[in-house]
Amino acid sequence: GESVGLHLPTLSVQEGDNSIINCAYSNSASDYFIWYKQESGKGPQFIIDIRSNMDKRQGQRVTVLLNKTVKHLSLQIAATQPGDSAVYFCAEIAYNQGGKLIFGQGTELSVKP
Amino acid sequence: KAGVTQTPRYLIKTRGQQVTLSCSPISGHRSVSWYQQTPGQGLQFLFEYFSETQRNKGNFPGRFSGRQFSNSRSEMNVSTLELGDSALYLCASSSRRGSGTEAFFGQGTRLTVV
Repeated sequence: GESVGLHLPTLSVQEGDNSIINCAYSNSASDYFIWYKQESGKGPQFIIDIRSNMDKRQGQRVTVLLNKTVKHLSLQIAATQPGDSAVYFCAEIAYNQGGKLIFGQGTELSVKP
Repeated sequence: KAGVTQTPRYLIKTRGQQVTLSCSPISGHRSVSWYQQTPGQGLQFLFEYFSETQRNKGNFPGRFSGRQFSNSRSEMNVSTLELGDSALYLCASSSRRGSGTEAFFGQGTRLTVV
């Protein structure tokens, strides 16, 4: 297979705190990077994406940072809420590979009320 | 607008059997991609269909196959099931070829092989 999904790291935060979820990607030629949220019993849900020529993009309560030098991606969630509890996946897309999503390992976020 | 619909939601099959899973994309979407999700390997790309043609394929054995119909609905088939095929199978639909940044996932079909 092409994705890495061995041991699922976990992050536990207090409600109202900020969360930072990290991801290392593999292909320096990837064109887009995406963060997905997957709740129990559901499929992945798009959160935010970033083009490879950008280093930061902000959404509602979320910010994605891209560091191409070290092939690192992070998702920052402001004022984390119990509803944010889920598994978060990063994914990369390389259009020279047909545009398929290559997923990184997930991180389980647990928000304590 | 209805989302991506996968049927059935749960399936139990015996080793050696075959199985067919169905995915109905969002109306107007012509691309359907399939992914396998397991605790050990995470989410892995199986294949993508666009306009009834397979456009991209992941690193899975030939036992895994699929097709897409003229209404963009897609099916994937797994023959000669093995215990290791137990997984959540997800499909994603998109309006354009290549999942791109517009992939919407269904809830998945949970396949258990016994």
